Amino acid sequence: SAVISQKPSRDICQRGTSLTIQCQVDSQVTMMFWYRQQPGQSLTLIATANQGSEATYESGFVIDKFPISRPNLTFSTLTVSNMSPEDSSIYLCSVGAGGATYEQYFGPGTRLTVT
Amino acid sequence: GDSVTQMEGPVTLSEEAFLTINCTYTATGYPSLFWYVQYPGEGLQLLLKATKADDKGSNKGFEATYRKETTSVHLEKGSVQVSDSAVYFCARGGGGDKLIFGTGTRLQVFP
Repeated sequence: SAVISQKPSRDICQRGTSLTIQCQVDSQVTMMFWYRQQPGQSLTLIATANQGSEATYESGFVIDKFPISRPNLTFSTLTVSNMSPEDSSIYLCSVGAGGATYEQYFGPGTRLTVT
Repeated sequence: GDSVTQMEGPVTLSEEAFLTINCTYTATGYPSLFWYVQYPGEGLQLLLKATKADDKGSNKGFEATYRKETTSVHLEKGSVQVSDSAVYFCARGGGGDKLIFGTGTRLQVFP
């Protein structure tokens, strides 16, 4: 399984500002995913980020709010733009294991609080 | 659409009790099924997987069997420990390498 790290691990931000979250993987992977986990809730997929192509966003998420970069096969960033308290969540990146089983491995998450 | 339904928590047990967390899914075909665990303050870890009908996944004393006739993959453990206290998520393959997660079930084990 891949080892995934995220930075920062947590942050407290003021409304109206932006935060960029970094996700680093210890091996090259094709597919990376970004999820949001609101307090006490399950995971919601924000977007799929494949290297060399634009990220694919899920319904309810837009690029202007959550721009994503995927410059190479081991790294991705998610920016939460123009934040409001409703953006307070844990943001997780994951990578696909490849193959036919579609399992994913997750980073430790970034806990964001917007005041 | 495709979905995953888990029993609501919290599930509260004494140490060494038997655990069952129910999970059912809707799907066309036979998606891969997973159980993830999230310990306090941590990210998700893959606990086990069952990728085809009648497959039994197991890890750390946990087991789950892929039952196509009931579209279920219930998680079981014969004797829970305090260290098993966590949130457990059931998930299924959603097509295009995506995962669809259930709402999670919090397990609290007391000594």
